[in-house]
Amino acid sequence: DIVMTQSPDSLAVSLGERATINCKSSQTILTTSNNKKSLAWYQQKPGQPPKLLMYSASTRESGVPDRFSGSGSGTDFTLTISSLQTEDVAVYYCQQYYSAPLTFGGGTKVEIK
Amino acid sequence: EVQLVESGGGLVQPGGSLRLSCATSGFSFSSYWMHWVRQAPGKGLVWVSCVNSDGSATKYADSVKGRFTISRDNAKNTLYLQMNSLRAEDTAVYYCTVVGSGKPGWGQGTLVTVSS
Repeated sequence: DIVMTQSPDSLAVSLGERATINCKSSQTILTTSNNKKSLAWYQQKPGQPPKLLMYSASTRESGVPDRFSGSGSGTDFTLTISSLQTEDVAVYYCQQYYSAPLTFGGGTKVEIK
Repeated sequence: EVQLVESGGGLVQPGGSLRLSCATSGFSFSSYWMHWVRQAPGKGLVWVSCVNSDGSATKYADSVKGRFTISRDNAKNTLYLQMNSLRAEDTAVYYCTVVGSGKPGWGQGTLVTVSS
């Protein structure tokens, strides 16, 4: 199974400041046929299902504000919130969908400092 | 638009059974692997099971192997999860999910509570 290691566990950032979340996969999640990385980022607020933010590591889902961006290469990936807003307080998860079983990072709780 | 709607959750006693359903639309259901993922209260996301496009191959997490059975009906565009011998630790929100057109799609989830 592919292990996804996410850090930090929690993060407190001032309003308007940058938040950075990291995710590392234990092996490649690059699909060579289309050269896309099978990595998604989710935002989850209490009582709600996970909301897809990014897929293919760096493609923003429709309707997601452009302050969210994803990057990464090899086995290291990053979700960046460029200017934290109140509504961004949530838990964020990375996920690989390269192979079954689907696996997830442990989550990062983002709060306002 | 990909739509996934889970149903069938509820309160069940330890040792009991439930059958979850996931009705889908907006994509070619019969072309894709389908998955169940669960989230226990206050915990992270955990994969449970998956089935291939024609239902001939299945995989399970060790924690549910021998107790849960995944299946699908491609004529009805519906995914199922038969859960037997339920335990308190199976209490969770259960989500069905698909990776279609290169990105994941999720349902809203259905809550399963195992308690006496």
